[in-house]
Amino acid sequence: QKEVEQNSGPLSVPEGAIASLNCTYSDRVSQSFFWYRQYSGKSPELIMSIYSNGDKEDGRFTAQLNKASQYVSLLIRDSQPSDSATYLCAVDIDRDDKIIFGKGTRLHILP
Amino acid sequence: DVKVTQSSRYLVKRTGEKVFLECVQDMDHENMFWYRQDPGLGLRLIYFSYDVKMKEKGDIPEGYSVSREKKERFSLILESASTNQTSMYLCASSLGGNRYEQYFGPGTRLTVT
Repeated sequence: QKEVEQNSGPLSVPEGAIASLNCTYSDRVSQSFFWYRQYSGKSPELIMSIYSNGDKEDGRFTAQLNKASQYVSLLIRDSQPSDSATYLCAVDIDRDDKIIFGKGTRLHILP
Repeated sequence: DVKVTQSSRYLVKRTGEKVFLECVQDMDHENMFWYRQDPGLGLRLIYFSYDVKMKEKGDIPEGYSVSREKKERFSLILESASTNQTSMYLCASSLGGNRYEQYFGPGTRLTVT
């Protein structure tokens, strides 16, 4: 059973600090990795996609991928209360068009 | 921007009723997906479709069926609703190929009483 693992949290981070969210996956052939943000009662919203080893930056968000270690992370710089949400990691499986989602990490930014 | 719409935000049905959930996307995406999301269980794939009139079972297809008669529309059908199908139902779409992101609709919160 291919899996995507995330710490469920809650992860509490002071406003203005860096929030670090981690995700590990089991399928060595996975090629595509995604981070989604989900506010309570809302649907997931795509934040970042990453396909190559290394870092990818978009505004306050940085995705980091290490395929050898099979982990992907999301850093949020200058955390804001509006960043409080559940963050879902998603990974492609079996080289088909499906992706598998982790159960998410709840992030709480402390004002 | 990709727009995925779902027919209802909230729905209340009785046990045994036939329920139709509709999803429409406006970006000419090949792939469409139906998930349900429950606390502690995360997102679980029910069915997906690569093309018109094509469907593939996901991880939890039992009790559900789907229909895709047009490229932009993907329907989820609960043939005989049961209380354990009370959940948040999310539709998503993507371009073909596993490098493409999925975009979600707003979700339908279904309650079966």
